[in-house]
Amino acid sequence: DADVTQTPRNRITKTGKRIMLECSQTKGHDRMYWYRQDPGLGLRLIYYSFDVKDINKGEISDGYSVSRQAQAKFSLSLESAIPNQTALYFCATSGGHGVGYTFGSGTRLTVV
Amino acid sequence: SQKIEQNSEALNIQEGKTATLTCNYTNYSPAYLQWYRQDPGRGPVFLLLIRENEKEKRKERLKVTFDTTLKQSLFHITASQPADSATYLCALDYYNAGNMLTFGGGTRLMVKP
Repeated sequence: DADVTQTPRNRITKTGKRIMLECSQTKGHDRMYWYRQDPGLGLRLIYYSFDVKDINKGEISDGYSVSRQAQAKFSLSLESAIPNQTALYFCATSGGHGVGYTFGSGTRLTVV
Repeated sequence: SQKIEQNSEALNIQEGKTATLTCNYTNYSPAYLQWYRQDPGRGPVFLLLIRENEKEKRKERLKVTFDTTLKQSLFHITASQPADSATYLCALDYYNAGNMLTFGGGTRLMVKP
């Protein structure tokens, strides 16, 4: 099994719909992150969490919300999807400074 | 705000040659600088990390240098192979940013047989 699992892998949804992307990790790390990747813009941080009770906004949090259900689970929600949220979404976890991130395989989201 | 520049144009090299990718940043130097490999449609995979007080780090065919005066890191792949073809991302890790990485846009490497 993968260290970081994201579901679904692909999703097409309509404008205005609510959608949840899920992430679970088996690394036992406290720190989890959601990034968005767009062509030419690289990876941008949406939200991050350092433990179950600690959730913080990243660079581009508008239009998104998150829930840290357990140490291993961190979900991202789009309350009312819009077309410019079409992107590749990645969840990641890390053990702290000086340690590389472990990423999931990503969710390709298309909002039509 | 911090800017990270990686060459957005693809780097094409011949198999067996050394590939050199550049990561430049503005403002102050990070505590750590990391390099990742990303294949199309897949998540980035961590390759190497170098600390601000280190000049060079090696792992098998990979070598990373870090020059805080130039505000630049170079990533080298020696004896490149077609399987090394991918996009390579650099990322900056600052102590006061809570281990949140800031990523560059990546450089696509194509190694031709």
